[in-house]
Amino acid sequence: DAGVTQSPTHLIKTRGQQVTLRCSPISGHKSVSWYQQVLGQGPQFIFQYYEKEERGRGNFPDRFSARQFPNYSSELNVNALLLGDSALYLCASSLVRGPTDTQYFGPGTRLTVL
Amino acid sequence: AQKVTQAQTEISVVEKEDVTLDCVYETRDTTYYLFWYKQPPSGELVFLIRRNSFDEQNEISGRYSWNFQKSTSSFNFTITASQVVDSAVYFCALKIIQTGANNLFFGTGTRLTVIP
Repeated sequence: DAGVTQSPTHLIKTRGQQVTLRCSPISGHKSVSWYQQVLGQGPQFIFQYYEKEERGRGNFPDRFSARQFPNYSSELNVNALLLGDSALYLCASSLVRGPTDTQYFGPGTRLTVL
Repeated sequence: AQKVTQAQTEISVVEKEDVTLDCVYETRDTTYYLFWYKQPPSGELVFLIRRNSFDEQNEISGRYSWNFQKSTSSFNFTITASQVVDSAVYFCALKIIQTGANNLFFGTGTRLTVIP
């Protein structure tokens, strides 16, 4: 079975631009979470979506938004990019939304903002 | 507030040596889960283990073992007879149950280098 997939693998943008990152969860998983991992740090929680609704949000500005589609795939959008948005963006899926669920991560999208 | 501390930024060992990665967590909640993930150079976080706050039994899986001590708020990870393939960044993470949220609080990671 395929794991969590993310696209694109790498992305280079300039300040002020907008970016969309995509994630497909493990088959059968209904919850998707997004994390930002700045170089040398641990991942930080951005969003959780379950059944197409936002179920949790981390401490990120409104420039960050996301959505989940009927097939449970998800997109993360970041507007007005800043240099500090350069990071590895990780998507994780879990079977349901329960806190006892284990999250399985994709390979990430490395975003570079110039 | 929740916090996970991995004081060891980098560790280098020679192949076949044992190595322990430390993890100390902080939370006021009584019900929580602790996790370890491995991040190889490819970037993908690989799930290793999940432990709930009511189960303090140590666990062994092959060359990996975990020591959970609630009294010291620690969840340490030991690799026995390390191998070059163990080289990676290892993250300890905490998840709180009461809030119903599903997000993980990660430490800053420990980079393990196993020298052949």
